[in-house]
Amino acid sequence: DTGVSQNPRHKITKRGQNVTFRCDPISEHNRLYWYRQTLGQGPEFLTYFQNEAQLEKSRLLSDRFSAERPKGSFSTLEIQRTEQGDSAMYLCASSPQQGPYEQYFGPGTRLTVT
Amino acid sequence: GENVEQHPSTLSVQEGDSAVIKCTYSDSASNYFPWYKQELGKRPQLIIDIRSNVGEKKDQRIAVTLNKTAKHFSLHITETQPEDSAVYFCAAPSGSQGNLIFGKGTKLSVKP
Repeated sequence: DTGVSQNPRHKITKRGQNVTFRCDPISEHNRLYWYRQTLGQGPEFLTYFQNEAQLEKSRLLSDRFSAERPKGSFSTLEIQRTEQGDSAMYLCASSPQQGPYEQYFGPGTRLTVT
Repeated sequence: GENVEQHPSTLSVQEGDSAVIKCTYSDSASNYFPWYKQELGKRPQLIIDIRSNVGEKKDQRIAVTLNKTAKHFSLHITETQPEDSAVYFCAAPSGSQGNLIFGKGTKLSVKP
């Protein structure tokens, strides 16, 4: 499968715990995006990388959230001290070009904070 | 920043009829407008997109039209089939970095 992959697909955690998600983009895509989607809403932008550089972060990304893309390939999104409001689908997308060109989404990681 | 409004929020049609979903955007500098289809529990899937240098693009039963003056774009699905039932999202880029601002979605139901 050469599409965007994400792991895990589901994560249930208790409030206050830390969680980490992984995204593997389409090979050679230099842009990688993280979005969050709650029920009945469209995806909301969180942050994006061009190669290994994190170039933009949304105001939605509180200081409990951190993302990395250390070698310009896969990326991780960590949420520290999870809250019930963090429950959502976390989607990763990748894009092959410099401009706002087509983004391809992964299957997402569904986070449930109890 | 960019703001995207999408209408209607729900749309029910009979199989074989056409469906039209409309979106408006606020940033006149936006130059790329994708449409995504999301089935229940699945990833958003890019189904068609249009760039600001054209007014219409077609791909089999789906088409997108763009009116830059009025800052709106529409998705047209002809000869709808039950498998077209899904939530459809329009989007527009925010600034020059490529991150997308999505509409709130339209739940399309195609009744056999």
